[in-house]
Amino acid sequence: KNQVEQSPQSLIILEGKNCTLQCNYTVSPFSNLRWYKQDTGRGPVSLTIMTFSENTKSNGRYTATLDADTKQSSLHITASQLSDSASYICVVSASYKLSFGAGTTVTVRA
Amino acid sequence: NAGVTQTPKFRVLKTGQSMTLLCAQDMNHEYMYWYRQDPGMGLRLIHYSVGEGTTAKGEVPDGYNVSRLKKQNFLLGLESAAPSQTSVYFCASSHPPERNSPLHFGNGTRLTVT
Repeated sequence: KNQVEQSPQSLIILEGKNCTLQCNYTVSPFSNLRWYKQDTGRGPVSLTIMTFSENTKSNGRYTATLDADTKQSSLHITASQLSDSASYICVVSASYKLSFGAGTTVTVRA
Repeated sequence: NAGVTQTPKFRVLKTGQSMTLLCAQDMNHEYMYWYRQDPGMGLRLIHYSVGEGTTAKGEVPDGYNVSRLKKQNFLLGLESAAPSQTSVYFCASSHPPERNSPLHFGNGTRLTVT
């Protein structure tokens, strides 16, 4: 069964600090890996989409990495802001069928 | 350009009642999806559509029906609501997945079944 595991489940960081979220998957055959940001009470919004050949991709202060050999991805948030408080969801596509992780809830405190 | 619009935003039903959730997109996407989101779990696919007049079952289709009479609209119906269907429902749309394009989500419908 295709699975996507995210860690940690939640974390709290101080404004201005960096943090890294992890995503491990057992999905195959791999098509692409996506990171979404979901604000409370809103739908998920796409941050990045990475294909097999891409190992790093940035979107502003968000940088995603992908190691397709170890089936791991990370999302790094640089210089966090209060608006970064949200749930971050890792989604892996296998033959274009999507498997969603349960998300990591990030709380940024002033 | 509204993106994906879902109505209603909130609804409370009694067990056995029926309702229809509406989803509209203005991005001319071929693919549309209905997901449910429950605490501690990833989004789960209920039904999806690859084009006007087509529908297909997802991971958790039981108790739900869908229709896609127009390309821009995707309706999700609950025939006889059960407490297990208490959830947040998200509609999404996209270009064909082989284009590696993102899903665009609506802001959800929070449904409570008592």
